[in-house]
Amino acid sequence: SQKIEQNSEALNIQEGKTATLTCNYTNYSPAYLQWYRQDPGRGPVFLLLIRENEKEKRKERLKVTFDTTLKQSLFHITASQPADSATYLCALGGLYSSASKIIFGSGTRLSIRP
Amino acid sequence: DAGVIQSPRHEVTEMGQEVTLRCKPISGHDYLFWYRQTMMRGLELLIYFNNNVPIDDSGMPEDRFSAKMPNASFSTLKIQPSEPRDSAVYFCASSSRVGRGYTFGSGTRLTVV
Repeated sequence: SQKIEQNSEALNIQEGKTATLTCNYTNYSPAYLQWYRQDPGRGPVFLLLIRENEKEKRKERLKVTFDTTLKQSLFHITASQPADSATYLCALGGLYSSASKIIFGSGTRLSIRP
Repeated sequence: DAGVIQSPRHEVTEMGQEVTLRCKPISGHDYLFWYRQTMMRGLELLIYFNNNVPIDDSGMPEDRFSAKMPNASFSTLKIQPSEPRDSAVYFCASSSRVGRGYTFGSGTRLTVV
């Protein structure tokens, strides 16, 4: 069956450390993968997109990797801050014949403690 | 730009009533998506439009749900009749082209009692 799995447990990280979130998928062949941040009571906010032919993407303190052989993406936040506390969602895109359709994972709740 | 605008923010209705959710996408965005979010099922894609035309409605749960996009600046999601299991947060999102990140609205929290 098709699945997108993110860290099942909430992640608690000490401020200043690097937070690493995982996104694994099975029986999908995405052309690209996106990461979003969602705060309570709000809609998801787009952070980064990485394509299947890219290994790594960076934006400020964020880094995303994409391994199509392992069917995995890693999302890193370096020098984490309490303001980074939120739920982070990965989303697979370019599936089937519908390039614009994306399917979301269930998300990982990240807490950064001072 | 005001972003994607959804209304109402909260809706409480009785079982059996008709509910209409509204969305105004970002001007110039050709793609519009309706998602539903619950604790149990996460974010589920219900339907999406390209240039006002419905492209994929395979996520619409049943015939009680319908969506329209009469023009580039407005879309509705209607549930008739509503049931308690429809209670969720409904998000509208828009995008300028394939592969671009989506911009989500603030959502409509629907409670059916």
